[in-house]
This record gives sequence, C-alpha cells and structure tokens, in this order.
Amino acid sequence: AQKVTQAQTEISVVEKEDVTLDCVYETRDTTYYLFWYKQPPSGELVFLIRRNSFDEQNEISGRYSWNFQKSTSSFNFTITASQVVDSAVYFCALRVSYNTDKLIFGTGTRLQVFP
Amino acid sequence: EAGVAQSPRYKIIEKRQSVAFWCNPISGHATLYWYQQILGQGPKLLIQFQNNGVVDDSQLPKDRFSAERLKGVDSTLKIQPAKLEDSAVYLCASSLEGSGIEQYFGPGTRLTVT
Repeated sequence: AQKVTQAQTEISVVEKEDVTLDCVYETRDTTYYLFWYKQPPSGELVFLIRRNSFDEQNEISGRYSWNFQKSTSSFNFTITASQVVDSAVYFCALRVSYNTDKLIFGTGTRLQVFP
Repeated sequence: EAGVAQSPRYKIIEKRQSVAFWCNPISGHATLYWYQQILGQGPKLLIQFQNNGVVDDSQLPKDRFSAERLKGVDSTLKIQPAKLEDSAVYLCASSLEGSGIEQYFGPGTRLTVT
C-alpha cells in the first residue's frame, strides 16, 4: 500500500528560526515521485518541489531545502530563517505509477511563524 | 498565464439538495483532477480526466457524485443528493501530459452541508 505520514500536526516558531517538516512515505514501487505543496490561508495548493525516486540529491532553493533519503523513506523539508509569510499548511505527497497521476497526500503540517 | 479557475468559492446547502462545481483548467493542460479535502486532512483524488476521458474514478462515490469534462476543457462536478459528510473543500487541478508532472491547483470551493 502507498501511504504518506506527516507526524507533526502543528509547529510554532518565532521568526528567523529554522524549522524542519518531516515526511515519511511507504511504497513498494521502485519508481515514484515525491512532492511538497504549500497551502496558505487562501486555500490554493502551491507546488514547491518534485523529486523522483532515482535522484537522491538534496536540493536548495533560497531559504528552502529538501533532504531525500531512500534508506529511511523520508523526504524532509527545511525552512531556514523562517518568516511570517511562511505560515501555512504544508503537504507532502507521493505519486507511484505511470498509469495514474494520483497524488497521495499526507495529513499536512500547520506551520505558524510568529513575529 | 491564468491559473486554474473554480466557482463558486463558497456554497452552503441543506442535506439532500444538489450542488455543482465548475472548473476551468490552465490553457493547454490535457489532464484535469478533482480532489476532496475534508477539514484537517490532505486532498483525496475523486476523479482524473485525460482530455475528455476518465482515467481514474476509483474513489468517486458514484451513487451521488458525477463529473464530466465535455470538449476536454472545462469540467463540472455534481453531488446529488448531498450528505453532511460531503462538507469539504473541492479542489480542481490541471497538468500537462506526462509522468511526474506537477499539478496546478485552483482556489477550491468550500462546501458546507447543513
């Protein structure tokens, strides 16, 4: 079965703190994609990153970085020097098959950044 | 480039009533998805269209939910009759053809069934 677990329901930090959002996935497929989406209060899901199962290189984009480790089935997301605008719900998602584009989402982590 | 458009943004109905949601995907996107997001949960795929054909509707409650994508562009999702447990945000997304391609989401329609 395919599953995504985001164990952290809610995280609160003060501005400029670093914060890591955890994501653990389950799949028996060898080919799959992992995604992170941001959902601000407006409700629209905003795409942040896609990573395929054959590429374990970590990625950095500005204050955002992602750590993909197949050995632990994890795809964690770190925000460096958090800002109030980072406050949102963050979802990790898994896509496992070429036959369907279905995304399997975790339950999300609500991040609150206080000034 | 215009994003995915959805209407209405909010809808309140009583149980057993009918409701319809509309989605206009990003121009040129062949694939369209409808997701249901219940409060506190991640989105769950209801149905996926490739052009005007259904690719995956395995999680669509077909006794009350229906969807169509005539002419392979706009899509409507209908619930008839609605139940209390249908209260959720209904998200539409679209993507270009191809594997592993990111999906672009609309703002969603928040449905409250009383």
